[in-house]
Amino acid sequence: DIVMTQSPDSLPVSLGERATINCKSSQSVLYRSDNKNYLAWYQQKPGQPPKLLMHWASTRESGVPDRFSGSGSGTDFTLTISSLQAEDVAVYYCQQYHSAPITFGQGTRLEIK
Amino acid sequence: QLQLQESGPGLVKPSETLSLTCTVSGGSISSRNYYWGWIRQPPGKGLEWIGTIYYRGSTYYNPSLKSRVTISVDTSKNQFSLKLSSVTAADTAVYYCARHGGGITTFAVVIIYYFDYWGQGTLVTVSS
Repeated sequence: DIVMTQSPDSLPVSLGERATINCKSSQSVLYRSDNKNYLAWYQQKPGQPPKLLMHWASTRESGVPDRFSGSGSGTDFTLTISSLQAEDVAVYYCQQYHSAPITFGQGTRLEIK
Repeated sequence: QLQLQESGPGLVKPSETLSLTCTVSGGSISSRNYYWGWIRQPPGKGLEWIGTIYYRGSTYYNPSLKSRVTISVDTSKNQFSLKLSSVTAADTAVYYCARHGGGITTFAVVIIYYFDYWGQGTLVTVSS
């Protein structure tokens, strides 16, 4: 199985500041045949299901604010929120879909400092 | 707008079988482009993929649960279902159904994509 490890587990950030969440996979999730990284990011607020933010590591879903961006390739990925808003408080998960079984990171809890 | 809704008992006894159904509305479960999955989340913990089905009946299971899981589809009702047998307290979780945003077959291997639509989830507690 591909193990997804996120860091940090908890991230306090001041409003308006940049938030950076890291995700590392135990094997590359880049498919050479299409040069795509099979990685997604989700946001989960309390009592709600996860919401897809990014797929292919950096493709933002429709309706997701452009302060959210994804980057990285191979085994190392980053989700960045350029200017933290109060509504961004949530737990964020990365997920690989390169190889079965589909696996998720353990989650990063983003909070207001 | 596509919507998914889980339904089923909220309490299951140990050693019995957990059964849930996901009803899809606002779109057809028989679309060639999509796969349909189950994910669970124990209280206060992370996400675990359980398994996935294609409308034609092909199934893909997490090896960690494969011996206990059965996923089926009823295209006439636009529903798919989950059965998890021999449950223990460790199976207490919020169970989500979700749609995969697509999938491909490459070198005879099926790769199923990210989850783009989710149900609200249903808490299933295993307790006597």
